Amino acid sequence: SQQGEEDPQALSIQEGENATMNCSYKTSINNLQWYRQNSGRGLVHLILIRSNEREKHSGRLRVTLDTSKKSSSLLITASRAADTASYFCATWQAGNMLTFGGGTRLMVKP
Amino acid sequence: NAGVMQNPRHLVRRRGQEARLRCSPMKGHSHVYWYRQLPEEGLKFMVYLQKENIIDESGMPKERFSAEFPKEGPSILRIQQVVRGDSAAYFCASSGERDYGYTFGSGTRLTVV
Repeated sequence: SQQGEEDPQALSIQEGENATMNCSYKTSINNLQWYRQNSGRGLVHLILIRSNEREKHSGRLRVTLDTSKKSSSLLITASRAADTASYFCATWQAGNMLTFGGGTRLMVKP
Repeated sequence: NAGVMQNPRHLVRRRGQEARLRCSPMKGHSHVYWYRQLPEEGLKFMVYLQKENIIDESGMPKERFSAEFPKEGPSILRIQQVVRGDSAAYFCASSGERDYGYTFGSGTRLTVV
């Protein structure tokens, strides 16, 4: 199984609502990152949070990290139709690469 | 800065042919990664390269797949004697620092017929 597992797998909300996605991982990490992928496109880096950080903000995005529970959450506030995409968490362990989860497919209805 | 450039965007190959996928990393980035993505799934790591060196190929099948990042030119992922199961989107990413964020290319969608 993958290092990062997102929950839920799919999420449908109305424009203006908040969207929360969760990510759990298994082993110790150096940092955790969130990416967005629009259909048929490459991934776009959203935010990176290091293992010694607990919360980070970037515009309408808020990421939290709980290393004791090995989990992270991504909150998108005041969602827009343009936020419709798949969101992936990825963890950097002590190895050589980022390991990605299976993603959460977010649909924001106008 | 053109970002990470991958070509071709779409590639159709018949079973048994060779597929060659190219990736030019972002200017100033020396770390290149290849990932494979099946529909509705996450990305699976294949190989990590720096100039003229394969650093980690633990995610790449031992047979038919090879990768290189020569001193001059793009990184190449080569798949020999393709089979239907090789059909997927192949993404290249680059980074300036080893454990920092990646910049992804738009991917190459390989279809084996």
